Amino acid sequence: NAGVTQTPKFRILKIGQSMTLQCTQDMNHNYMYWYRQDPGMGLKLIYYSVGAGITDKGEVPNGYNVSRSTTEDFPLRLELAAPSQTSVYFCASTIGWANTEAFFGQGTRLTVV
Amino acid sequence: DQQVKQNSPSLSVQEGRISILNCDYTNSMFDYFLWYKKYPAEGPTFLISISSIKDKNEDGRFTVFLNKSAKHLSLHIVPSQPGDSAVYFCAASASGTYKYIFGTGTRLKVLA
Repeated sequence: NAGVTQTPKFRILKIGQSMTLQCTQDMNHNYMYWYRQDPGMGLKLIYYSVGAGITDKGEVPNGYNVSRSTTEDFPLRLELAAPSQTSVYFCASTIGWANTEAFFGQGTRLTVV
Repeated sequence: DQQVKQNSPSLSVQEGRISILNCDYTNSMFDYFLWYKKYPAEGPTFLISISSIKDKNEDGRFTVFLNKSAKHLSLHIVPSQPGDSAVYFCAASASGTYKYIFGTGTRLKVLA
């Protein structure tokens, strides 16, 4: 079972460049999340989605955008990369309400120079 | 404002002994708590959870205790094994919010 798949695994961006982090899940989960993890910090929620066509901001949404056109895919867009966005990004999905376990992808390590 | 806190960044334990990882929270609306384990270069994986209607949940070597009055939960691993060496995150959610709030993690090292 693939579960939650993130691409790419690593990326180096220059300041001001744009990129999209891809996330897809094959478990038919309605709820999907994007987190970032900075060194020594926990996972901070960037954006989440409760179903196709519905997205909402998390704790740290500035500098990011998301879309959810299908149940399977939840891409995260960085429009103007900044050094403060250097982080490890994790996508996750759950089958229902928050009172269930989340399945995580392997992460994308992004460095902005 | 850190709503979920793990005050011990690291913990070392001898193989075969008990590991106790602690987590405190401030939001009284949280009613579901989870523990995740994370190895380097991998995503977090779910370990065990507990609902606020319980004060204990057990799964093999892993037990989670919840003290609602103290807003405190702990994860006990008995006996600890070298393969348990990882970063452990606690997370909390409140019904209807669709979100998990994570702590900063505790790095557990089990010494052989």
